[in-house]
Amino acid sequence: DTAVSQTPKYLVTQMGNDKSIKCEQNLGHDTMYWYKQDSKKFLKIMFSYNNKELIINETVPNRFSPKSPDKAHLNLHINSLELGDSAVYFCASSHSRGTSGGVKETQYFGPGTRLLVL
Amino acid sequence: AQSVTQLDSQVPVFEEAPVELRCNYSSSVSVYLFWYVQYPNQGLQLLLKYLSGSTLVKGINGFEAEFNKSQTSFHLRKPSVHISDTAEYFCAVSDWGTGGFKTIFGAGTRLFVKA
Repeated sequence: DTAVSQTPKYLVTQMGNDKSIKCEQNLGHDTMYWYKQDSKKFLKIMFSYNNKELIINETVPNRFSPKSPDKAHLNLHINSLELGDSAVYFCASSHSRGTSGGVKETQYFGPGTRLLVL
Repeated sequence: AQSVTQLDSQVPVFEEAPVELRCNYSSSVSVYLFWYVQYPNQGLQLLLKYLSGSTLVKGINGFEAEFNKSQTSFHLRKPSVHISDTAEYFCAVSDWGTGGFKTIFGAGTRLFVKA
């Protein structure tokens, strides 16, 4: 049973195309994230959703549009792909802060989607 | 603003030798600290975390880390490494800000374990 799954695992496409990456978690978490890892392995957060609401948007071009149909899913749609979008995209999920204020923040990562834009 | 600095981009070490991967952070508020490991072509896996309490934290695969508030460090250690420990290791810091709970990752340290 995969806790956080992403599809597709590999995605090769041409500049200018529109593509989507899907993410699903079966951990019962209420917060989901998208990260981008570049060729130098630098990992940077793109978006964070809590209970289907966007709470973090880190100056990502508006060609990137996340969509969360429910708490278990966070999809990433990319319009007009550019060469610089080539990277590995990781989805992650976690609990948010509990009502008692306790931190439950351990993020669980998906296996990644390797996007190559030609 | 938070930041995380991993002082070594690559650490080569012989099998069964001890290793320390260094991590320094900066943050203006209370932080939560993590070490993640990424094996080739895989996602990140949590090794250990510091939220509060004892400053010495033990994780999986024999790793441990010590939170040092005065030096703003969270170095990762293992007394005897195996070939299978070869991977990329990421230090991360999280705190609550105006944008919610946010995690910043360091640039990563590649650990090479040689026979």
